[in-house]
Amino acid sequence: QVQLQESGPGLVKPSGTLSLTCAVSGGSISSSNWWSWFRQPPGEGLEWIGEIYHSGSTNYNPSLKSRVTISVDKSKNHFSLNLSSVTAADTALYYCARTDGSRTTWGQGTLVTVSS
Amino acid sequence: AIQLTQSPSSLSASVGDRVTITCRASQGISSSLAWYQQKPGKAPKVLIYDAFSLESGVPSRFSGSGSETDFTLTISSLQPEDFATYYCHQFSSYPYTFGQGTKLEIK
Repeated sequence: QVQLQESGPGLVKPSGTLSLTCAVSGGSISSSNWWSWFRQPPGEGLEWIGEIYHSGSTNYNPSLKSRVTISVDKSKNHFSLNLSSVTAADTALYYCARTDGSRTTWGQGTLVTVSS
Repeated sequence: AIQLTQSPSSLSASVGDRVTITCRASQGISSSLAWYQQKPGKAPKVLIYDAFSLESGVPSRFSGSGSETDFTLTISSLQPEDFATYYCHQFSSYPYTFGQGTKLEIK
């Protein structure tokens, strides 16, 4: 059974870059699935950030596209999120997930706070 | 972007009640819809995918129905562990979007 685990700094300074990694275990990142990032500001709803296929093909939410890069490292069986020029509005729980059609397996999430 | 509108936004109910939550899409999405349950501080848990398919391990009191623009999540007999927030999520077209959530509280 595939499991996903997010990791990265819990605190990022304003105007800096948020960088997270999602480690995939119990399965290969080269399988026929998309690998996604979502986020949820405290007390608010869920937002899709974007996704990547093992080939490197990506899709991003237009609301974040100018600041987001998602990459994959098949040798390490993980994928990553970079979000640049962050502000307090980017403070959120960040989740990575595997998407198989409308069936999604979620990581446990990691809280990232943007503050000086 | 496709908008998903859930109703109600909040709901008070009792153990044993039958509860229905609806999700309306701003355009047709076929059956590309999932329902999640989320408890505070936890990741969303998949209940239903492809509009009506029950995720493995999810109790049969949960069911989903609908297609195109109108979808329903039904809990046939509420249990204490069901009090949580529920979200619908469309995978039909980019950007993927969520409903605003329905908070189910104990009456």
